[in-house]
Amino acid sequence: QSALTQPASVSGSPGQSITISCTGTSSDVGSYNLVSWYQQHPGKAPKLMIYEVSKRPSGVSNRFSGSKSGNTASLTISGLQAEDEADYYCCSYAGSSPSYVFGTGTKVTVL
Amino acid sequence: EVQLVESGGVVVQPGGSLRLSCAASGFTFDDYTMHWVRQAPGKGLEWVSLISWDGGSTYYADSVKGRFTISRDNSKNSLYLQMNSLRTEDTALYYCAKDVNSGWSGDLDYWGQGTLVTVSS
Repeated sequence: QSALTQPASVSGSPGQSITISCTGTSSDVGSYNLVSWYQQHPGKAPKLMIYEVSKRPSGVSNRFSGSKSGNTASLTISGLQAEDEADYYCCSYAGSSPSYVFGTGTKVTVL
Repeated sequence: EVQLVESGGVVVQPGGSLRLSCAASGFTFDDYTMHWVRQAPGKGLEWVSLISWDGGSTYYADSVKGRFTISRDNSKNSLYLQMNSLRTEDTALYYCAKDVNSGWSGDLDYWGQGTLVTVSS
C-alpha cells in the first residue's frame, strides 16, 4: 500500500487561507468517506483535526475544514495563525482486512 | 482526562524481540478499538496494527504481519504489542492510539506520547 501523496510544504501569511491536498487511489480515498487529518507539532503526538472527510472533533477550531473529490481529499485552514505551523498528515481507510494508509505529510509554514 | 502511556521501548539487536505496553485511563477502555502507529525518525506516520474492543479481531500492516502481535487486557486497561524478528527498519517511535468508536474507522482521537524502539547492532 503506497502512501497518499501530499505536497511537502505549504505556506501562507497570517489571516490567509491555505489548502493541503491528499491524493490517493480508487482503492482508498476514492472508495471510502473515511479520510482523517492530523496535526503534529515538533516533538508532540499527532492530534485529530478532521475525520470522516469533513467532521470536526469537539474542540477543534472551525477554521479547519475538510472535503473530498474523487481520489483527492483536501484540508483547508482559514484565517491562518502562527499556532497552525506544524506538520499535517492525511489518512485513509484502504479496505482489505482492514488497513489504513497515511499521507507523506505536509509542513505548514506561517510567514 | 484520557491518558495513554506507552512503555517498553529500548535498543534491541536485529532479530530480537520486544514487548510494548500502553496503559489507558480516563475512558471505558473496553468500549473502543485500539491501534498502534509508528513514526521512523524524521519520517511520516505508518499504521501498524489494530485490535477490536474485545480482542476478538486483530489486523496488521503487511510490513509487520507474521512478526508482530497485538493484544489487550481489558481488566488492566492495557494494550500490548509483541514484536519479534525485529529489523532495522522497525526503528521508530511507537504510538498507541484510541479509535473514536468500537468499529475500525481509523479515526484516532487520542494518542500517547510514544515509546522509542531502536533496532541496531
